Amino acid sequence: DTEVTQTPKHLVMGMTNKKSLKCEQHMGHRAMYWYKQKAKKPPELMFVYSYEKLSINESVPSRFSPECPNSSLLNLHLHALQPEDSALYLCASSHPLRDEKLFFGSGTQLSVL
Amino acid sequence: DAKTTQPNSMESNEEEPVHLPCNHSTISGTDYIHWYRQLPSQGPEYVIHGLTSNVNNRMASLAIAEDRKSSTLILHRATLRDAAVYYCILKGYGGSQGNLIFGKGTKLSVKP
Repeated sequence: DTEVTQTPKHLVMGMTNKKSLKCEQHMGHRAMYWYKQKAKKPPELMFVYSYEKLSINESVPSRFSPECPNSSLLNLHLHALQPEDSALYLCASSHPLRDEKLFFGSGTQLSVL
Repeated sequence: DAKTTQPNSMESNEEEPVHLPCNHSTISGTDYIHWYRQLPSQGPEYVIHGLTSNVNNRMASLAIAEDRKSSTLILHRATLRDAAVYYCILKGYGGSQGNLIFGKGTKLSVKP
């Protein structure tokens, strides 16, 4: 199984809503990542978890709250988002070694109204 | 600061080889050169990576210059399914240097 599964595939939410994005992998990877991708732009790194601990937060606003409940799961909790947060949110995983490749999910397309 | 420089776009004909260039003049000795591609409506997909020597796999070949300041991704016979944005990325070691930071990439179009 070399898949990273993201749910939901699409999400529409209002600015006062609370929602969560979910990411799952069963490859035994111990590093997991959240990226944000605006239309026609490259992915931007948001968070990195290594061995279930947050190791990198790229100055992401607190309305995005990541969580890694176990080595297979990664969540991104969303609260009080702005319309400019509308984007494709990508999850990825890898072995935490410098030359290891990342496996990406297909992403959650988020629209904030 | 961009660590790699790639052409914005390239065009290829189907079943012909494609050479996608990447300049990385500030590469450090511990940086690996990674290539990913992103097909429309999908997440990025690993293509190939290398450190110093040329590398081959079932998807592509990676040719690395002797001084490591540039590299070329080679698709031996382009198909319509190879139309994607190709990202050349330097991946270092430790802390933020070990993370995958995407540049603008090259959008490859393949004509039938």
